[in-house]
Amino acid sequence: DIQMTQSPSTLSASVGDRVTITCRASQSISSWLAWYQQKPGKAPKVLIYKASSLESGVPSRFSGSGSGTEFTLSISSLQPDDFATYYCQQYNSYPWTFGQGTKVEVK
Amino acid sequence: QVQLVESGGGVVQPGRSLRLSCAASGFTFSSFGMHWVRQAPGKGLQWVAVISYLRRSESYADSVKGRFSISRDNSKDTLYLQMNSLRPEDTAVYYCAKDWSDGRGPIDYWGQGTLVTVSS
Repeated sequence: DIQMTQSPSTLSASVGDRVTITCRASQSISSWLAWYQQKPGKAPKVLIYKASSLESGVPSRFSGSGSGTEFTLSISSLQPDDFATYYCQQYNSYPWTFGQGTKVEVK
Repeated sequence: QVQLVESGGGVVQPGRSLRLSCAASGFTFSSFGMHWVRQAPGKGLQWVAVISYLRRSESYADSVKGRFSISRDNSKDTLYLQMNSLRPEDTAVYYCAKDWSDGRGPIDYWGQGTLVTVSS
């Protein structure tokens, strides 16, 4: 199985900060990577697919990059609505696997 | 708009069975692959199973293989997850999720989830 490792596990930031989350795959997944945002008690929501494609309706402050085994999710200017947990997920091969999550909290 | 509504969760004893359902609307159900993803309390997301839109292929996480079975009824726009030989570690919120295509991903819509608690 492909292991997905996110860092950091927790990130403390302020409104307006630029935030970057890293996701590393245990083997190459090309660009078959998605990023999801999840708020407490809610279902996840897709932000980015195919490593860098922005899902329709997602604010442009979110961006994704990378290919192969190294990926990043960036938020250019953190907004109050962005405090949440973020997961990367590979869909290169089954079984699909998620990173352990990165909680973005108020500094 | 796309809606996915799960049902069938509850409290069940270890070793027993439970069947989850997911009623889909707002899209052509028979044209998309469908998934189950779970989340144990306070933990991360774990993909469970997928079924292609024509039911020609299924795949499972190793942790549920041989115990869980995913199926669909395209005439009823409904997805199912039959869970047998349940274990305490199967306790989780189970999400039904729509694939962007025929099962090759990614997930583009999620239901709100149904809680399954396995406990004596």
